Amino acid sequence: KAGVTQTPRYLIKTRGQQVTLSCSPISGHRSVSWYQQTPGQGLQFLFEYFSETQRNKGNFPGRFSGRQFSNSRSEMNVSTLELGDSALYLCASSLQQGGETQYFGPGTRLLVL
Amino acid sequence: QKEVEQDPGPLSVPEGAIVSLNCTYSNSAFQYFMWYRQYSRKGPELLMYTYSSGNKEDGRFTAQVDKSSKYISLFIRDSQPSDSATYLCAMSRNSGYALNFGKGTSLLVTP
Repeated sequence: KAGVTQTPRYLIKTRGQQVTLSCSPISGHRSVSWYQQTPGQGLQFLFEYFSETQRNKGNFPGRFSGRQFSNSRSEMNVSTLELGDSALYLCASSLQQGGETQYFGPGTRLLVL
Repeated sequence: QKEVEQDPGPLSVPEGAIVSLNCTYSNSAFQYFMWYRQYSRKGPELLMYTYSSGNKEDGRFTAQVDKSSKYISLFIRDSQPSDSATYLCAMSRNSGYALNFGKGTSLLVTP
């Protein structure tokens, strides 16, 4: 069974731009969670989607948003990029909402200049 | 103060050593405890999953949870160079709640 895939793998943007990242969960998984990973803060939860609805949200500004499609694929969008948004963005999928066994993708490394 | 604390290391051990990795937490509501392994430039990989207190063993890996002390551990026996990675602890209150991660401990196993 194919794992979680994320595209693109690497991205360079400038301040003020916006970016959209994509995540395809493991086949059959209906929950997709997004995390931001930085050396200073570690892995921080952004939000979780289940059945096309946002079920949980972390403590991030409204510039960070996401959505989930009927095939469980998910996208996250960051608007008005700031230097501090440079990070590894990880997507994880699980069978159930808030499933403890979450399987991570390889991440999208975003650099904001 | 973060809810989950983890010593970042780095921790360097010789091949064959027993490795002990630990996390402490402050939220007594946490019931689900996990350990992930993350290799450089890869996403975290689930190693162990434990519910509530107790021990769980899987091959060379043993996870321990002591809820009374709010302390969890991961032991790696007969460590191998391929175990060199960052180990992240994670925990959640219940199904349906987000995972709270430690910052990870960097482990280096030298041949």
